[in-house]
Amino acid sequence: GENVEQHPSTLSVQEGDSAVIKCTYSDSASNYFPWYKQELGKRPQLIIDIRSNVGEKKDQRIAVTLNKTAKHFSLHITETQPEDSAVYFCAAHPRDDKIIFGKGTRLHILP
Amino acid sequence: DAGVTQSPTHLIKTRGQHVTLRCSPISGHKSVSWYQQVLGQGPQFIFQYYEKEERGRGNFPDRFSARQFPNYSSELNVNALLLGDSALYLCASSFRTGMDSPLHFGNGTRLTVT
Repeated sequence: GENVEQHPSTLSVQEGDSAVIKCTYSDSASNYFPWYKQELGKRPQLIIDIRSNVGEKKDQRIAVTLNKTAKHFSLHITETQPEDSAVYFCAAHPRDDKIIFGKGTRLHILP
Repeated sequence: DAGVTQSPTHLIKTRGQHVTLRCSPISGHKSVSWYQQVLGQGPQFIFQYYEKEERGRGNFPDRFSARQFPNYSSELNVNALLLGDSALYLCASSFRTGMDSPLHFGNGTRLTVT
């Protein structure tokens, strides 16, 4: 069935270093891949997204890459800062009316 | 501009009871979707409504139902509550269905079933 695998489940990086979170999806019909950031006790917020006709998208310190052949996509955060500490969720849309989320990655930025 | 609002913020129910959760979308948004988020997991898709019609349903039992009103607000109903229904229930709105309409989440309703 439709599934999104996300790893690692927990990631600790030194402030200023880069963080990479990876996701794989099972449904080849998926063509939209958003990433959400959820701080403790708060709502998930969209931070970046990518569509299947694009291989990479960048927004300041955040970038997302997509490999449709391998069915995986990744979130890259450079020059990490304390406020980047949160849980990050990847997601895939196998069709317009459905979205499947990964289980999340808890990112800790170490001082 | 108000975001997505959900009520109540917290709720405690006992097994077998039913519950109604409410969601008001961002003004102008016509699609509302519901998600269940168990602690330590990603949100699980329950329903999507657009223009008052159900457009999508996740793998949840028939105890879960929802509807959307003419003003695009929505209710999620859960009957015969089980302990396993304890979770954060998130509502998200978007202008329409589809990939060019990003989801905007509310703060959620935390349901505890005892």
